[in-house]
Amino acid sequence: EDKVVQSPLSLVVHEGDTVTLNCSYEVTNFRSLLWYKQEKKAPTFLFMLTSSGIEKKSGRLSSILDKKELFSILNITATQTGDSAIYLCATFSTNAGKSTFGDGTTLTVKP
Amino acid sequence: GAGVSQSPRYKVAKRGQDVALRCDPISGHVSLFWYQQALGQGPEFLTYFQNEAQLDKSGLPSDRFFAERPEGSVSTLKIQRTQQEDSAVYLCASSLAYGGRLHFGNGTRLTVT
Repeated sequence: EDKVVQSPLSLVVHEGDTVTLNCSYEVTNFRSLLWYKQEKKAPTFLFMLTSSGIEKKSGRLSSILDKKELFSILNITATQTGDSAIYLCATFSTNAGKSTFGDGTTLTVKP
Repeated sequence: GAGVSQSPRYKVAKRGQDVALRCDPISGHVSLFWYQQALGQGPEFLTYFQNEAQLDKSGLPSDRFFAERPEGSVSTLKIQRTQQEDSAVYLCASSLAYGGRLHFGNGTRLTVT
């Protein structure tokens, strides 16, 4: 059975800190890994990763995938209170159909 | 519409009632997913459509759950004889192609009393 494990489950930091969120996976026939940010309602897309070692970057956020060790990290530098959210990691296999989400990391950024 | 639309936003059902949850995906999106999200957990896969074909329903928890997408656009998730453990947020997501970026609706929060 496909499995996605995120760590830590929750994290409290102060504004300006840098955080690293982890996502490890066991997926049969891996195709892609995606990161989402979930505030009160719908998850919103952050990154899609398909190749190892290529960093994706958007402002203060960046992410990278390691297909050999089966994990991805999401980095947020100079955190702001608006970064407070649940960060979700999800994988797709090449067998069209099932996608698997982790339970998320709840990030709280204090002023 | 501009995004994925789900209705109703909230639904309260008495145990044993049937409910129907609607999802209107982004126009032209081939792939459509339903997820169930319990409090404090990540979304759990329920089922996947490619156009009108239901390619994977392995996540549906019981035969009380049924989903359809008859014309390859709007989808309905039906839950028969609701139970308390069905209480959750039901999220619908669509994408242009399988494995790509998902666009989520705001979900339907179902409470079974």
